[in-house]
Amino acid sequence: KAGVTQTPRYLIKTRGQQVTLSCSPISGHRSVSWYQQTPGQGLQFLFEYFSETQRNKGNFPGRFSGRQFSNSRSEMNVSTLELGDSALYLCASSPDPNRVLSYGYTFGSGTRLTIV
Amino acid sequence: GQQLNQSPQSMFIQEGEDVSMNCTSSSIFNTWLWYKQDPGEGPVLLIALYKAGELTSNGRLTAQFGITRKDSFLNISASIPSDVGIYFCAGSDTNAGKSTFGDGTTLTVKP
Repeated sequence: KAGVTQTPRYLIKTRGQQVTLSCSPISGHRSVSWYQQTPGQGLQFLFEYFSETQRNKGNFPGRFSGRQFSNSRSEMNVSTLELGDSALYLCASSPDPNRVLSYGYTFGSGTRLTIV
Repeated sequence: GQQLNQSPQSMFIQEGEDVSMNCTSSSIFNTWLWYKQDPGEGPVLLIALYKAGELTSNGRLTAQFGITRKDSFLNISASIPSDVGIYFCAGSDTNAGKSTFGDGTTLTVKP
C-alpha cells in the first residue's frame, strides 16, 4: 500500500516567487492536513481539508493557501515568498477527520523548500 | 492558542538505559499522540491515547494520558541505537483534523 507522497522533495525558490506543493494521500484517505516544520517554530498547523472543503486553518498569512481535489490529492500554494518561508512542509492523511482519533495521521516525507 | 511544553529538549543516554519524556498543555486535549521523526522523513505515529488515565504500550514504549487531560508521558525501556531521533507529542481535539505539536525531544543513544 503506497504511503503519502509529496512532490517535489526539494525546491529552491527566490524571494517574491510563488510555489505549489503537492500531496497525494494514502488511497482511501479523504482528510489531508498540512504542517510547516522549522527549527525555531517546530511543527505548525497550516490547514486541513476533507472532501474538497477546508475544515481548519492555522495562523498563517493569506499568502498560504491550499485546495483539495475530488481524488483527495491536495496542493498548497505560497505566494510572494519570503526568506522565513524556508521550511520542511509536511502533509498528513487520515481516513476522515473523525477517525483521526483512531489512526492519527500518516505523514509524507515532506518537501524541503529553500528561499534564497 | 493551545501550546504544548515538551521536555526535555534533548537527551544523551547509554544503550540499555530507560528514557522518559513528557508533555504538558495549558489546554485540555481529547487525544494525545506520540510520534518519532527520523532525519529527512515525516513523523511516524508510535502511540495514540484516547482516554484520561489510559496507559498504553507498544513494545518497549509505554505512554500515559494524564488524568487532567493536560499532560502525557512517553517511556522507552532498554534503549537501542535505532531509537535515535526526534520524539514529538501532539494533542488533538475531538473532531479536528489538526494537531498541536510539542517542540520535540531529540534522543541520542550511545552504543
